[in-house]
Amino acid sequence: AQSVTQPDIHITVSEGASLELRCNYSYGATPYLFWYVQSPGQGLQLLLKYFSGDTLVQGIKGFEAEFKRSQSSFNLRKPSVHWSDAAEYFCAVGADDMRFGAGTRLTVKP
Amino acid sequence: DGGITQSPKYLFRKEGQNVTLSCEQNLNHDAMYWYRQDPGQGLRLIYYSQIVNDFQKGDIAEGYSVSREKKESFPLTVTSAQKNPTAFYLCASISRYTSGGRNEQFFGPGTRLTVL
Repeated sequence: AQSVTQPDIHITVSEGASLELRCNYSYGATPYLFWYVQSPGQGLQLLLKYFSGDTLVQGIKGFEAEFKRSQSSFNLRKPSVHWSDAAEYFCAVGADDMRFGAGTRLTVKP
Repeated sequence: DGGITQSPKYLFRKEGQNVTLSCEQNLNHDAMYWYRQDPGQGLRLIYYSQIVNDFQKGDIAEGYSVSREKKESFPLTVTSAQKNPTAFYLCASISRYTSGGRNEQFFGPGTRLTVL
């Protein structure tokens, strides 16, 4: 069965610093991979997705993620974090039955 | 505007009462999903439905029930058998045939259920 691990429960970075959120997955076939962001008390918004092709995918709000099959990873990156990026981030994998990681809460220091 | 509606945003119920959470979508999506979100546990799949009049259990279906009588609607009933129902509930639907791929889930705003 597919599963997703986000090793970091909480990350704090300074505004303007770079960011990397880790995601490891377990999936029997070629995975569909996603990153979502959630503000407090809200639904989830899709940041980016990977289905096939180029392993470096660009998303909204300046985020990108790289699919590494050999490491079963799909890490999310941003070169320069803004205070408005503070939120919870979820990695997800799957097709018809999607599975989500436990999330990483991002705090941005001024 | 197309989207997913969940109502109400906040719901309070007494212990032992069944309660039904509404989820409606006008995106013409075939598949719909219910997730439960608790702090530190991410989203856990309760039920999903790929077509009308059919649905499958997810990882934590015990104490919940669903119906899918219309393509647009996928209500979730939290029964009195659910031992710890207080949580944030999210409904989602999938666009299977977007350009460049498939299976991008769209989420509703969520319903926070508190059982007193």
